[in-house]
Amino acid sequence: AQKVTQAQTEISVVEKEDVTLDCVYETRDTTYYLFWYKQPPSGELVFLIRRNSFDEQNEISGRYSWNFQKSTSSFNFTITASQVVDSAVYFCALSEAETGGFKTIFGAGTRLFVKA
Amino acid sequence: KAGVTQTPRYLIKTRGQQVTLSCSPISGHRSVSWYQQTPGQGLQFLFEYFSETQRNKGNFPGRFSGRQFSNSRSEMNVSTLELGDSALYLCASSLGDYSPGEQYFGPGTRLTVT
Repeated sequence: AQKVTQAQTEISVVEKEDVTLDCVYETRDTTYYLFWYKQPPSGELVFLIRRNSFDEQNEISGRYSWNFQKSTSSFNFTITASQVVDSAVYFCALSEAETGGFKTIFGAGTRLFVKA
Repeated sequence: KAGVTQTPRYLIKTRGQQVTLSCSPISGHRSVSWYQQTPGQGLQFLFEYFSETQRNKGNFPGRFSGRQFSNSRSEMNVSTLELGDSALYLCASSLGDYSPGEQYFGPGTRLTVT
């Protein structure tokens, strides 16, 4: 069965600190997709990144970077030099093909507080 | 491009009633997924529709149903409402072709059951 674990419920940092959000997943499939979404206080989830299981290349986008390691079933997300606007709940998600479509399972989310 | 819209944004219903929520996806997106978000259970997948067909569903009772129209707009219905159905219901659209792409979420409908 598929499962996504975000062990960190809440993280609080001071502006300009680096912070890493952990994500561990479980799946039996060899083909799957991993995502990170951000849910700011306004409520709407915003897509950040998608990775498929065959692409373990790490990615950097501005202050955001993602480390995908199949050996440890982890897809961690690092924010460098955090800013107050980064305060949000961050969700890791796993999608697998199932009965002709796709089923997406979200982790419980990590609430990030960035203090000025 | 207009984003995903959901109506209504807020709803208060009484136990036993039924409710219909509506979602209009981004133009060109053929897949619509529905999620229930609660503080206790987090984000839980309800079902996904693609080209008017339900492609997948989560572990929810049959009281939760949905449909998709030819213009990709989708509705979900919850019958015989229970207090535990109080939640934020999120709709997400994506291109939905051969691999799960990024999903674009609407603002949600907050349902309160009293």
